[in-house]
Amino acid sequence: DAGVIQSPRHEVTEMGQEVTLRCKPISGHDYLFWYRQTMMRGLELLIYFNNNVPIDDSGMPEDRFSAKMPNASFSTLKIQPSEPRDSAVYFCASSLGGPTEAFFGQGTRLTVV
Amino acid sequence: TQLLEQSPQFLSIQEGENLTVYCNSSSVFSSLQWYRQEPGEGPVLLVTVVTGGEVKKLKRLTFQFGDARKDSSLHITAAQPGDTGLYLCAGGGRAGGYQKVTFGTGTKLQVIP
Repeated sequence: DAGVIQSPRHEVTEMGQEVTLRCKPISGHDYLFWYRQTMMRGLELLIYFNNNVPIDDSGMPEDRFSAKMPNASFSTLKIQPSEPRDSAVYFCASSLGGPTEAFFGQGTRLTVV
Repeated sequence: TQLLEQSPQFLSIQEGENLTVYCNSSSVFSSLQWYRQEPGEGPVLLVTVVTGGEVKKLKRLTFQFGDARKDSSLHITAAQPGDTGLYLCAGGGRAGGYQKVTFGTGTKLQVIP
């Protein structure tokens, strides 16, 4: 299995631009998670989906962030407009059965200048 | 909000030494996971413990879940340079009707050859 695949690996964008991060979960997994990792706040759960349906988005920082999962093999996290404080590593993860025991992708390092 | 504090934050030791990392909370968790994260990669699951007092061994790593399911420890015997990385604990439970997971603050381990 190829594992969770994220793209791009690195993204540098200017403040105010739209950013879209992409994720392909492990085939057969019914949960998908988006996390953000920073030095200051550690690893934070932003949103998760179960069977393509958003279940808990309480971690999404504000309305500039949105996530979709149009099918079982693809999800996006969009930031519009982006701000410098959004700079972080964003991870996608997937699992069977819930938020614990998740398999993480390699992450997207986002830098907003 | 469930918080997981890890100690120490940083640890630099010589190859062959033993070490213990702690993960503490005032909240009760239904399960607890330990992950290891290497630079530029996503966290990788090492173990899950679910029963108070449970001890699990993974080669030179010993994981223990506290009796009250509020804390956990990771002990590494005869550390190797390959053990270098960021160790994260994560507590699972339910809050607000949803399954939740909270990641700890992390312990960055460096094993010097």
